[in-house]
Amino acid sequence: NAGVTQTPKFRILKIGQSMTLQCAQDMNHNYMYWYRQDPGMGLKLIYYSVGAGITDKGEVPNGYNVSRSTTEDFPLRLELAAPSQTSVYFCASTDPGLAGGRNEQFFGPGTRLTVL
Amino acid sequence: AQTVTQSQPEMSVQEAETVTLSCTYDTSESNYYLFWYKQPPSRQMILVIRQEAYKQQNATENRFSVNFQKAAKSFSLKISDSQLGDTAMYFCAFMNTQGGSEKLVFGKGTKLTVNP
Repeated sequence: NAGVTQTPKFRILKIGQSMTLQCAQDMNHNYMYWYRQDPGMGLKLIYYSVGAGITDKGEVPNGYNVSRSTTEDFPLRLELAAPSQTSVYFCASTDPGLAGGRNEQFFGPGTRLTVL
Repeated sequence: AQTVTQSQPEMSVQEAETVTLSCTYDTSESNYYLFWYKQPPSRQMILVIRQEAYKQQNATENRFSVNFQKAAKSFSLKISDSQLGDTAMYFCAFMNTQGGSEKLVFGKGTKLTVNP
C-alpha cells in the first residue's frame, strides 16, 4: 500500500492564482482530512469528509474548497491565493472500523505552498 | 471548543537519558482520545502513542510512555533511553469521540533535540 499520497510536494503561486492540492489514499478509509501547518504552529483543520459526497468545515476553512466524489480522493482547492495561505498542507485519513479501533490518522508527506 | 497546550517550545536531552514533554488540554467531554505525534525533519507525521480517556492504565510503547491525569487534564510523554533519532517536533493531540468525525486538535508542539 502507498498509504496517503499528496501532490505536488512543493509549489509557488502568485497572489490571485488558483490551484488544487491532490490527496489520495489506498487504504479504503472513509474519513479524510486537510490540515495546514504554519511555521512554529501545530496543525489546524481546514476541511474534512466522513465519506464520499459528504464534506464539512474545520477550524480554518476560509479561502478553500473541497470535494469528495470517491472514497480514495479528497482534493483541496485554493481559488484566489493570498500570502496568508503560505503554509504546509497535510492530508490524512482514518476509519475506526478498519483501523482496529486505534483511531489513528495516517498522514501524507505534505505539500509546501508559498504564495508571493 | 477543545484546546491543547504544550508549554515547552523547545527541550534538549543527552543521548540515553530520559525526558518528559508536557501537555494539558481543556474539554468538557468525558470520553475522548489523546495522542502524541512525532514530526522529524522529513515532515512526516508519525503516531508515537495513544491513550483512551476511559482507560486508567497509562499507555506504553517500548521507550515511550505517558502519564495521563484525567482530573488534571494532563497528558505528558516520557521518552526513556533517548536516541539521536528521537530528535523531532512532538505534537500532543486531542480527539473528541462525540459526533463521529474523529477530528484532531493539535498543540503547538515541542521541539526536542537529542544531543550525543
